[in-house]
Amino acid sequence: SAVISQKPSRDICQRGTSLTIQCQVDSQVTMMFWYRQQPGQSLTLIATANQGSEATYESGFVIDKFPISRPNLTFSTLTVSNMSPEDSSIYLCSVGWTAEPGNTIYFGEGSWLTVV
Amino acid sequence: DAKTTQPNSMESNEEEPVHLPCNHSTISGTDYIHWYRQLPSQGPEYVIHGLTSNVNNRMASLAIAEDRKSSTLILHRATLRDAAVYYCITDYGGATNKLIFGTGTLLAVQP
Repeated sequence: SAVISQKPSRDICQRGTSLTIQCQVDSQVTMMFWYRQQPGQSLTLIATANQGSEATYESGFVIDKFPISRPNLTFSTLTVSNMSPEDSSIYLCSVGWTAEPGNTIYFGEGSWLTVV
Repeated sequence: DAKTTQPNSMESNEEEPVHLPCNHSTISGTDYIHWYRQLPSQGPEYVIHGLTSNVNNRMASLAIAEDRKSSTLILHRATLRDAAVYYCITDYGGATNKLIFGTGTLLAVQP
C-alpha cells in the first residue's frame, strides 16, 4: 500500500466558488482516480487522472465542472467549480500500481466538502 | 444493471463469525471479485480479492462459488471495529482497472 494524503481534509465553501483538492502519494503510481460520495450514498467514479494528458471522465461528469490535473506519477488535483449545495460530498482520491486485471486500488481519507 | 447484489444490512454479535453474501450472476470469466469496506468517516479499505479459488488473508476469507456467480466474505471473529459498509465489486467499467461500487452491506456488530 501507500500513504495517500488529501488536502483539505474538510472545508466549508460558499456557493459559486471553486475549490481545488490535492492528492499526494508517497510513491509513484500508475493509476489515479477520483470518486465522489454524496451523503449516505455509495462511491461514484468521477474520472481517471492521466499523467500529462486530459482526464477520462465517467458519464455525467464534465471537465468544466471537475477539472483534473496530474502533472506526475505522485500528484493529482481535482477542482470542484462553481459549487452548489448539491456538490456537498466526500471527494476521494484512489491509486493503483498497475492496470492489470485484479489490480487493487487504495484510497485516501477523503476531502469532506460542505457548500453553503 | 447492477453487477452485484448484496443485502442492505446485516447484524452480528461480537466474536462470532460473519458471512457476507454477494451475488454476481453476470460476472465474466476474467473479472476478479474485490471486497472493500468503509469504516465510519474513513475512505474505503481493501479487504480481499480473488478470481476462482478461495482466498485467505489476515483480515478475512473469500469463498467463491464454483460457478463464480456468488461469493461470501467471511470474518472469522467479528469485533466492534468491523462495523462498516462492505462492498463487493465485480464491475470494472469496461476496463481492467476501475472499480465501480454498488450499494454495499452495512454490518452492525453488537457487543
